Amino acid sequence: GQNIDQPTEMTATEGAIVQINCTYQTSGFNGLFWYQQHAGEAPTFLSYNVLDGLEEKGRFSSFLSRSKGYSYLLLKELQMKDSASYLCASMDSNYQLIWGAGTKLIIKP
Amino acid sequence: ETGVTQTPRHLVMGMTNKKSLKCEQHLGHNAMYWYKQSAKKPLELMFVYSLEERVENNSVPSRFSPECPNSSHLFLHLHTLQPEDSALYLCASSQSPGQGGNTIYFGEGSWLTVV
Repeated sequence: GQNIDQPTEMTATEGAIVQINCTYQTSGFNGLFWYQQHAGEAPTFLSYNVLDGLEEKGRFSSFLSRSKGYSYLLLKELQMKDSASYLCASMDSNYQLIWGAGTKLIIKP
Repeated sequence: ETGVTQTPRHLVMGMTNKKSLKCEQHLGHNAMYWYKQSAKKPLELMFVYSLEERVENNSVPSRFSPECPNSSHLFLHLHTLQPEDSALYLCASSQSPGQGGNTIYFGEGSWLTVV
């Protein structure tokens, strides 16, 4: 079956760095997505990885290892506004997104 | 402003009511989606329209009925819902899957409460 695993909740301190891991098992692979969702709002696109390696975009970076079925989202210089849920999704061979349940990130001062 | 607009944002309905959710996308996409989001669960894909053709998800109860009159508009018609249908319903759009531009963009969602 198809499956996405990510931690349910994480806590980090303002100004610190946090890494949110995601492992995936899908039938075929057409990329790995990360979305951010603040409470009561729409998920917003953060990153897309289809090749192995690290993609950096400001304070946020996303890493992919296709051989390990593994990705992580790295958030640097954490700000209070980064408190949100982070959704990992893998696109399968039919271009359908398989979603994780999301990781709720709590930032403390 | 996300480029995908949903109305209403909040809806309370009784189990015998008929209501509709509306979605409009201003991004020039040709695929539109309905997702259901329940607390602490993964997003559940309900329906996909790609190039105005419907891709059916057989696990969705018939009390949910989608309609896509054109590539910019999508409706979800609701009839005789159950309390367990209470959730956030998200509309999204993208270019047609596999035709480049795989990223999907979400609307703000419609919070549905069935009483």
